Amino acid sequence: NAGVTQTPKFQVLKTGQSMTLQCAQDMNHEYMSWYRQDPGMGLRLIHYSVGAGITDQGEVPNGYNVSRSTTEDFPLRLLSAAPSQTSVYFCASRQGPGELFFGEGSRLTVL
Amino acid sequence: RKEVEQDPGPFNVPEGATVAFNCTYSNSASQSFFWYRQDCRKEPKLLMSVYSSGNEDGRFTAQLNRASQYISLLIRDSKLSDSATYLCVVNLNQAGTALIFGKGTTLSVSS
Repeated sequence: NAGVTQTPKFQVLKTGQSMTLQCAQDMNHEYMSWYRQDPGMGLRLIHYSVGAGITDQGEVPNGYNVSRSTTEDFPLRLLSAAPSQTSVYFCASRQGPGELFFGEGSRLTVL
Repeated sequence: RKEVEQDPGPFNVPEGATVAFNCTYSNSASQSFFWYRQDCRKEPKLLMSVYSSGNEDGRFTAQLNRASQYISLLIRDSKLSDSATYLCVVNLNQAGTALIFGKGTTLSVSS
């Protein structure tokens, strides 16, 4: 059982480049979300989705886009990378109010 | 006042010690509460939910005090493997779409 799978695990970008962080879950969870984790800041919610076709903004959505065309996939797009987006990104999913399952994280560096 | 506050530590304790972490939250309408554990450079994982009556899971005891708006985690007979960062998580709504993470408390258990 793969759970939540994120790719890539590591990425280095130059300022202004765009990229997509992929997230897939095989647990048929309706709720999926993206967090970023920075030193001294804790986990902050970027975007979330409560089902296919439904997305909403979290605490820090600027500079990121998401879409949810299927239950399984929830990609996070960085439109024009900035050094402030250097972070560790976690995708997470959950069914109902239960446990939040996280992917292993994607470490992004923007130069 | 920040929404979820934790003492960042680090807490350095010897094996076998009992250690307690506290977490305070600012929103009195918070619905549910959790402790997650995060190992170094890994994803967070659910340690335990926190129930109003208090709950225990082996060496771990979680308590909630709604009147004072704090949550606690007690670890008895600390093991080396307990070394990690412990995240306090508060859910602000019934739908579970407003999870607020504390910045975490770091525990280091030494032999």
